[in-house]
Amino acid sequence: GEDVEQSLFLSVREGDSSVINCTYTDSSSTYLYWYKQEPGAGLQLLTYIFSNMDMKQDQRLTVLLNKKDKHLSLRIADTQTGDSAIYFCEETLDGTASKLTFGTGTRLQVTL
Amino acid sequence: EAQVTQNPRYLITVTGKKLTVTCSQNMNHEYMSWYRQDPGLGLRQIYYSMNVEVTDKGDVPEGYKVSRKEKRNFPLILESPSPNQTSLYFCAVGTPNAYEQYFGPGTRLTVT
Repeated sequence: GEDVEQSLFLSVREGDSSVINCTYTDSSSTYLYWYKQEPGAGLQLLTYIFSNMDMKQDQRLTVLLNKKDKHLSLRIADTQTGDSAIYFCEETLDGTASKLTFGTGTRLQVTL
Repeated sequence: EAQVTQNPRYLITVTGKKLTVTCSQNMNHEYMSWYRQDPGLGLRQIYYSMNVEVTDKGDVPEGYKVSRKEKRNFPLILESPSPNQTSLYFCAVGTPNAYEQYFGPGTRLTVT
């Protein structure tokens, strides 16, 4: 599969904004997703963006997509301790579930 | 309530002893998939199924088998487990276009 890269770790203070970044290699990606994994749990779909969009906002979450640079980011406003988790980006290469590639995951630590 | 069930949740076994991890869903979705999660590597797809009797290899299928005899179940079979298959395994269920994807709670497997 294609490589999808994320930084491994991010630490932010409660109340600050968090920005989690993801770079992907296949420009033909049709959908890009963000998942959250809390300790001891499976992955939970947070949000997604279609490749024809630049930005999507959903409450405290903002997704930015830069197709030219193949860069995806997830911004969490007013980060809370409950946001502490591992965040994965995922791309689908042909719009079907047969071509899914996950990033390596970013562990977000929220400090008081 | 949408549910993906995996069993067992934890398993410690010895090299070469055949085992099966079960996955079942109550959502009537066509797509089911198995992933393994390893530190620093994110999630890697083992096998997936787009419908009953239709299965295909993911990125890391070696050492694993699957079957999809009925829509709700998608067991993962390790015929002769080895220590490098020690990992956290997730079953995922969703629509073929990946628009919806739900993950099970995970199975932590240790092979000694």
